[in-house]
Amino acid sequence: GAVVSQHPSRVICKSGTSVKIECRSLDFQATTMFWYRQFPKKSLMLMATSNEGSKATYEQGVEKDKFLINHASLTLSTLTVTSAHPEDSSFYICSASPGQGGTEAFFGQGTRLTVV
Amino acid sequence: DAKTTQPNSMESNEEEPVHLPCNHSTISGTDYIHWYRQLPSQGPEYVIHGLTSNVNNRMASLAIAEDRKSSTLILHRATLRDAAVYYCILSSGTNAGKSTFGDGTTLTVKP
Repeated sequence: GAVVSQHPSRVICKSGTSVKIECRSLDFQATTMFWYRQFPKKSLMLMATSNEGSKATYEQGVEKDKFLINHASLTLSTLTVTSAHPEDSSFYICSASPGQGGTEAFFGQGTRLTVV
Repeated sequence: DAKTTQPNSMESNEEEPVHLPCNHSTISGTDYIHWYRQLPSQGPEYVIHGLTSNVNNRMASLAIAEDRKSSTLILHRATLRDAAVYYCILSSGTNAGKSTFGDGTTLTVKP
């Protein structure tokens, strides 16, 4: 079946540095991908919609300058956490689907970001 | 997106069937019912989805009420590897990858 691959699975960075997370659709083209954030023992929260060839759409309360999204090709979206701080530590997950509501969605393995 | 309501937690014994309920009383005619599950420190995994008719696949069965206001995910023989958080989600928009997650049901499987 279709697979969405996310990299890295785990990253530790120092406060003030930036971290880039990649999300790839391996066997289908994804004009749209989605980024979620998940805190411990909480559910997934949609952060933004990544649109190939255009600007990302951010959910209310998500800082677009803090979480930079680039969707440069039909199979790759990147999320860059800029000037990371300890409160940005979280589990970040991307998703993509080859279709609409009647199609299954595929999620990446997730990236555990720890900012020290 | 229409909301879903699930019990916070459920327990099952290994090799017994498990019925995970989901209420979605505000479902619209175009909403598909999706189920995903998430193991610790992993991304959600697709389980099953349906629109009106009951559905079966190798992982589970999905029973959808006639009025579509509720559904039940059925795991026919629970194994320890089925212990996870199960999310029931409605999806009808332009892309199935965009989902509104509720709190889900944490399934514990006892040996």
